[in-house]
Amino acid sequence: KNEVEQSPQNLTAQEGEFITINCSYSVGISALHWLQQHPGGGIVSLFMLSSGKKKHGRLIATINIQEKHSSLHITASHPRDSAVYICAVMDSNYQLIWGAGTKLIIKP
Amino acid sequence: DTGVSQNPRHKITKRGQNVTFRCDPISEHNRLYWYRQTLGQGPEFLTYFQNEAQLEKSRLLSDRFSAERPKGSFSTLEIQRTEQGDSAMYLCASSRGQYTETQYFGPGTRLLVL
Repeated sequence: KNEVEQSPQNLTAQEGEFITINCSYSVGISALHWLQQHPGGGIVSLFMLSSGKKKHGRLIATINIQEKHSSLHITASHPRDSAVYICAVMDSNYQLIWGAGTKLIIKP
Repeated sequence: DTGVSQNPRHKITKRGQNVTFRCDPISEHNRLYWYRQTLGQGPEFLTYFQNEAQLEKSRLLSDRFSAERPKGSFSTLEIQRTEQGDSAMYLCASSRGQYTETQYFGPGTRLLVL
């Protein structure tokens, strides 16, 4: 069993839909990251969470430490949001353990 | 552009040759990380530095791999006697050093070993 699991693996939606990507982890963590990877490999760090909720524009990230679960939400989705979204947790040794990613396609 | 730069962006080499990649982190960042990403997979941790000290190395980092950060600024990753299985994207990231800080990733160096 992977230490970080994301769901769904693939998600296709229409422009304007509300998007939710889930991440569950099984190890003790000091922080959780949500990252965005565009075709061609560029990775952008979206959020770093250790508790609660963060919001940036149309993106919202939440984490429940007790349940070892985090969600990334995208409101009013747009085709430019199409990318791979990766959940990664930082363990007590400061190593990032990566999820497999969720490939999101937003159709116009 | 996150402020982290990597050179070269692409490298094609023949099996058995040595290659060296460079990463320039954001200037005030103390921590520097190296990752490797193969096609269709998430990045795998290789090693990280706190200033010039290499604090952790993954078991993925065989004897053919060596990384340095001599002055606590830029870092180099060298692969000796490259193998076809070394073909991957090599990513560098930096952070301020507190464990809660976000890591900022460079654009990566894509290596192809023929």
